[in-house]
Amino acid sequence: QSVLTQPPSVSGTPGQRVTISCSGSSSNIGGSNVYWYQQFPGTAPKLLIYRNNQRPSGVPDRFSGSKFGTSASLAISGLRSEDEADYYCAAWGDSLSGYYVFGTGTKVTVL
Amino acid sequence: EELLVESGGGLVQPGGSLRLSCVGSGFYWMHWVRQAPGKGLVWVSRINSDGTTTSYADFVKGRFTISKDNAKNTLFLQMNSLRVEDTALYYCARGGYCTNGFCPPDYWGRGTLVTVSS
Repeated sequence: QSVLTQPPSVSGTPGQRVTISCSGSSSNIGGSNVYWYQQFPGTAPKLLIYRNNQRPSGVPDRFSGSKFGTSASLAISGLRSEDEADYYCAAWGDSLSGYYVFGTGTKVTVL
Repeated sequence: EELLVESGGGLVQPGGSLRLSCVGSGFYWMHWVRQAPGKGLVWVSRINSDGTTTSYADFVKGRFTISKDNAKNTLFLQMNSLRVEDTALYYCARGGYCTNGFCPPDYWGRGTLVTVSS
């Protein structure tokens, strides 16, 4: 049950576009939808993207997700100070048994 | 929106046991996810809506048991043979946005802190 790999941190200035990568394998991302979560310090995570590129109601369209083979990415356009948070990708690790795996997490800093 | 409220955390010695509860589980897939202080999210276990199938992370297999009582709207995590490295904030999360019968964590509780120390 491996972990999905993300960069520890990314940063950008207000208004910029930043992307967070998520690298997996054929046993997780390659065979699964990808999900993204946002977490502010001291609070519970919030689902940001589901099924690779779908946004739950209330999530701004500045957030977009994509998947390519065994990798995925989250893009934040028009970066805002309130986007400063930790972001985690996730995927099913096994389509039969239904175990789930998270990425290592990325801290987004707005300069 | 329905609330998920975890309880049962606390301080326990290595080798000890704890039983976590999460009220508000309903007839949903449910997950337990943990987060050690200053660290990332780690998936622990999940159970389907009627409690008939479960799945566990390798590091808890044989030690933790997930269950749910739909009549009492409650999810449980029985944790045995606890280790120092099990110290974390444990979140319960409701499954949503299901695809092919699999429901990823969607709505989360606030967590309950488990500390394993002598």
